[in-house]
Amino acid sequence: SQTIHQWPATLVQPVGSPLSLECTVEGTSNPNLYWYRQAAGRGLQLLFYSVGIGQISSEVPQNLSASRPQDRQFILSSKKLLLSDSGFYLCAWKTRPGLAGVNEQFFGPGTRLTVL
Amino acid sequence: EDKVVQSPLSLVVHEGDTVTLNCSYEVTNFRSLLWYKQEKKAPTFLFMLTSSGIEKKSGRLSSILDKKELFSILNITATQTGDSAVYLCAVVHGSSNTGKLIFGQGTTLQVKP
Repeated sequence: SQTIHQWPATLVQPVGSPLSLECTVEGTSNPNLYWYRQAAGRGLQLLFYSVGIGQISSEVPQNLSASRPQDRQFILSSKKLLLSDSGFYLCAWKTRPGLAGVNEQFFGPGTRLTVL
Repeated sequence: EDKVVQSPLSLVVHEGDTVTLNCSYEVTNFRSLLWYKQEKKAPTFLFMLTSSGIEKKSGRLSSILDKKELFSILNITATQTGDSAVYLCAVVHGSSNTGKLIFGQGTTLQVKP
């Protein structure tokens, strides 16, 4: 079966410090991968998605970047964190299109980031 | 601009009540609509709806999509305290390759004993 891991689970960082959040998926190949952010009391906002190694699409202009160095690894980074980067960061995966009835995304446990 | 709107934003009921959560959408290249339940951490998948008028059912939960009126409802019958959570509606849109989701704000449901 497939599993998705994220770490760390929680993180408190000062403004201006760098960030690296990691997400890995097991039990599947060539997944689409996604990074979302959820601000307090709000829905999920798509930040980045990737359909393959080295392929990153950004959905919103921001202080963050993403990379996919391996097929099942997705990294979210920042060189200098802002207060507004605080939130709950979720990684998700889905199988490639073409498989009938498989369109839903599955989420990792999330990282709660607080920037002080 | 593509958007997904859920209502109500919050709801408090007592055990045994029936609730209906609403989700309306305006997106280009609609592909499907998903419902998720989010408790403390990651959202967990409930339903995927692609065709109008076909009810999906799982235990006390059911959902249906109306592609003409651009909305979906999620029903929970005989609610239990364990149903307390944020319910998220999301729409898959865009090209078939990307599978991008637009989420609504969520409905926070609290079920009191």
